[in-house]
Amino acid sequence: EVQLLESGGGLVQPGGSLRLSCAASGFMFGSYAMTWVRQTPGKGLEWVSNIYGGGNDATYADSVKGRFTISRDNSKNTLYLQMNSLRAEDTAVYHCVKFRGGTYYNYYMDVWGKGTTVTVSS
Amino acid sequence: QSALTQPPSVSGAPGQRVTISCTGSSSNIGAGHDVHWYQHLPGAAPKLLICANINRPSGVPDRFSGSKSGTSASLAITGLQAEDEADYYCQSFDSSLNGWVFGGGTKLTVL
Repeated sequence: EVQLLESGGGLVQPGGSLRLSCAASGFMFGSYAMTWVRQTPGKGLEWVSNIYGGGNDATYADSVKGRFTISRDNSKNTLYLQMNSLRAEDTAVYHCVKFRGGTYYNYYMDVWGKGTTVTVSS
Repeated sequence: QSALTQPPSVSGAPGQRVTISCTGSSSNIGAGHDVHWYQHLPGAAPKLLICANINRPSGVPDRFSGSKSGTSASLAITGLQAEDEADYYCQSFDSSLNGWVFGGGTKLTVL
């Protein structure tokens, strides 16, 4: 069974840092691009960052660029999101998601983790 | 403001047909990029409903169908059931933003 299990969320003060992890199983992890998507009650779903299978190429939403870093360890089937300089507006449920599709601009998200909650508050 | 625009809410009685629109621009849907749809039930992870404009993944009932034309796409649900009550999101890629974008989501209420 294909599974994605996130961990690492929690309560952090503004300006603080957190590192999210996502353990993948049931598929050839290194063969697929992966992405983080966050969900907030007020704004719905927002794409945060993606990384391609080899781990050498990544892109970020403008809202997190320069503060978040995505990475992966294909030997451990694990995806990461290092979040620095956290702001109140980063408060959300963060989902680890598997990408699928032929060309990057037609990628779709075929497997979602249940998410881990990040709360940024003093 | 989302790059893709959806109505905040739609509703219908059991057995009826409803449609959810997703309006984009020349940098996303109008650029020929595929549109995908997700169903988000309360307390669960979002689930892929339609991929590449019209395709249903295995296990998705044929009551759900997608279409795309120009700078817009639509999700149609026929034979509405109480279990269809959820939030629905469209998604595509935006060349100007160089990233993947979602619509603001549409809450479906089954009356």
